Amino acid sequence: EPEVTQTPSHQVTQMGQEVILRCVPISNHLYFYWYRQILGQKVEFLVSFYNNEISEKSEIFDDQFSVERPDGSNFTLKIRSTKLEDSAMYFCASSVQTTTSEQYFGPGTRLTVT
Amino acid sequence: QQQVKQSPQSLIVQKGGIPIINCAYENTAFDYFPWYQQFPGKGPALLIAIRPDVSEKKEGRFTISFNKSAKQFSLHIMDSQPGDSATYFCAAKSNFGNEKLTFGTGTRLTIIP
Repeated sequence: EPEVTQTPSHQVTQMGQEVILRCVPISNHLYFYWYRQILGQKVEFLVSFYNNEISEKSEIFDDQFSVERPDGSNFTLKIRSTKLEDSAMYFCASSVQTTTSEQYFGPGTRLTVT
Repeated sequence: QQQVKQSPQSLIVQKGGIPIINCAYENTAFDYFPWYQQFPGKGPALLIAIRPDVSEKKEGRFTISFNKSAKQFSLHIMDSQPGDSATYFCAAKSNFGNEKLTFGTGTRLTIIP
């Protein structure tokens, strides 16, 4: 069964450093998402991406965040200057379309900012 | 108005019992309501989903009940097993060009043998 994959599974970085989290969505999916989950809390939407542009973003997704689909398979989340409060699980998700289809989540990347 | 309220926060049920997890929402534009199951260290896995044109949906041991007028929906797990022990999240999405899932706060379910 096709699945969303994410790398790395765990990333440790120092405050102020840039990190790139990578995702490979399910191959026939057209919509891509990033969510994050701070330890013990609910999953929060960050951004959605379709047709090579951001279609929606939350207030969490400020100027330090960016997303990109650099090739036909990868979808990346860049955090430019990490802060301690960016420590969380980051989940990538994808869906075939948006209005009627399910979002499938990857296993997540645990980001630890020290 | 974008919130989805979920209860209880945690639930302990004996094997074979029927845990029930409840969610409520305010936004009448929500029209898609999935439930996700999450094991520690893993991503949320889609379990079952419902749209407001039906009041109940069943898949295997999992049933969603939906009350449109009350703006509430719930997950029932029949014949619960220790392997069902996980955190369950309800979520909601609207259909008006809005793609994000709004998640509830989660319920940590423990099924004891």
